[in-house]
Amino acid sequence: EAQVTQNPRYLITVTGKKLTVTCSQNMNHEYMSWYRQDPGLGLRQIYYSMNVEVTDKGDVPEGYKVSRKEKRNFPLILESPSPNQTSLYFCASSLSRPAGTDTQYFGPGTRLTVL
Amino acid sequence: GENVEQHPSTLSVQEGDSAVIKCTYSDSASNYFPWYKQELGKRPQLIIDIRSNVGEKKDQRIAVTLNKTAKHFSLHITETQPEDSAVYFCAARALRAGGYQKVTFGTGTKLQVIP
Repeated sequence: EAQVTQNPRYLITVTGKKLTVTCSQNMNHEYMSWYRQDPGLGLRQIYYSMNVEVTDKGDVPEGYKVSRKEKRNFPLILESPSPNQTSLYFCASSLSRPAGTDTQYFGPGTRLTVL
Repeated sequence: GENVEQHPSTLSVQEGDSAVIKCTYSDSASNYFPWYKQELGKRPQLIIDIRSNVGEKKDQRIAVTLNKTAKHFSLHITETQPEDSAVYFCAARALRAGGYQKVTFGTGTKLQVIP
């Protein structure tokens, strides 16, 4: 089954404790992206990756890191989480054809609370 | 950078009536405009999309229109049903130098269909 998976689904942590949220897709998609969703602000892009070893900042990259060592995985790293990073996080993937209409498939979401 | 504005933020309609959600974008390089539906506690899922070389697209009760000159696009839902109740997001994808793609989402519209 074609899917995007994220782990963990729920996480409560404390300020400053490094954490990683994993994202994996089995559709051989080039494009992967991380979003955070906050009430009234919609989905804001944190980082995206066009392919292996190719990443770029989105709209709200501060406090986050990513890596793309393999095509299927795109982990989100919070080196020193702070309470303002409490949010619902979504990973998404799609094919990468600039002239095409490529559906983004979203993961199930990770609800993160930083105390 | 790209700015996508979405209105209204909330919309209540009687079952059977039509609902219209409007979005404007700022980047003339945007070439793809998807709409996502997010039910409570679920991930966003694509419901319809349109490319920049098309003015209108319809899929059963859902239609999307695009006015490139005015840089706005709209979602139309006819004969609304209670199961249409959800948050709807518009998005715009713009191409950047080097083939990078940037997807920007609107802030969402919470649609309530009253039986």
